Amino acid sequence: DVKVTQSSRYLVKRTGEKVFLECVQDMDHENMFWYRQDPGLGLRLIYFSYDVKMKEKGDIPEGYSVSREKKERFSLILESASTNQTSMYLCASRSGFSTDTQYFGPGTRLTVL
Amino acid sequence: GQQVMQIPQYQHVQEGEDFTTYCNSSTTLSNIQWYKQRPGGHPVFLIQLVKSGEVKKQKRLTFQFGEAKKNSSLHITATQTTDVGTYFCAVWGNTGKLIFGQGTTLQVKP
Repeated sequence: DVKVTQSSRYLVKRTGEKVFLECVQDMDHENMFWYRQDPGLGLRLIYFSYDVKMKEKGDIPEGYSVSREKKERFSLILESASTNQTSMYLCASRSGFSTDTQYFGPGTRLTVL
Repeated sequence: GQQVMQIPQYQHVQEGEDFTTYCNSSTTLSNIQWYKQRPGGHPVFLIQLVKSGEVKKQKRLTFQFGEAKKNSSLHITATQTTDVGTYFCAVWGNTGKLIFGQGTTLQVKP
């Protein structure tokens, strides 16, 4: 089974802190994604990556950056956390460029105080 | 960019009643996927539809892809409390991005 893991299920940070959210997948997938999920807004794509050291902006990249130094790991970085970044963050991975199944991690619920 | 509209946003049903959620697009879709997210969980892939007019069944769940490939539906017959959750449709946008509908949250009263 594909496994996508995220470093924390719950995280509480203060405004202005630098926050790292880590995601690891064990299926050698090329594609990895970061979404945030908010009530009434569904899943919104923040950033995605097709390959190591490669990144593309999604629909809401402002206030975020990403890093992909190794194929299995995709990190989301909040340079200076703000209260409007309180949300559920979901990582996902998918193989190749095919219209294959996208596998999600368990999510990290981030609260910024 | 490509968008997909999903309705309704919420649905409360009595256990045993049927439930349907709809996804609509203004453009022709190459395919459509459906995901389910249980409360407190993460989205899990259910099915992918590719062909015009395609109908697929998974036990009490019936998935349909419209003839014009611009809409899709998920129908649950005789809902059970285990069906509770949010159901998302998702379509492929440009450059391999999966675009999700807003989701329909189903509540089932026992």
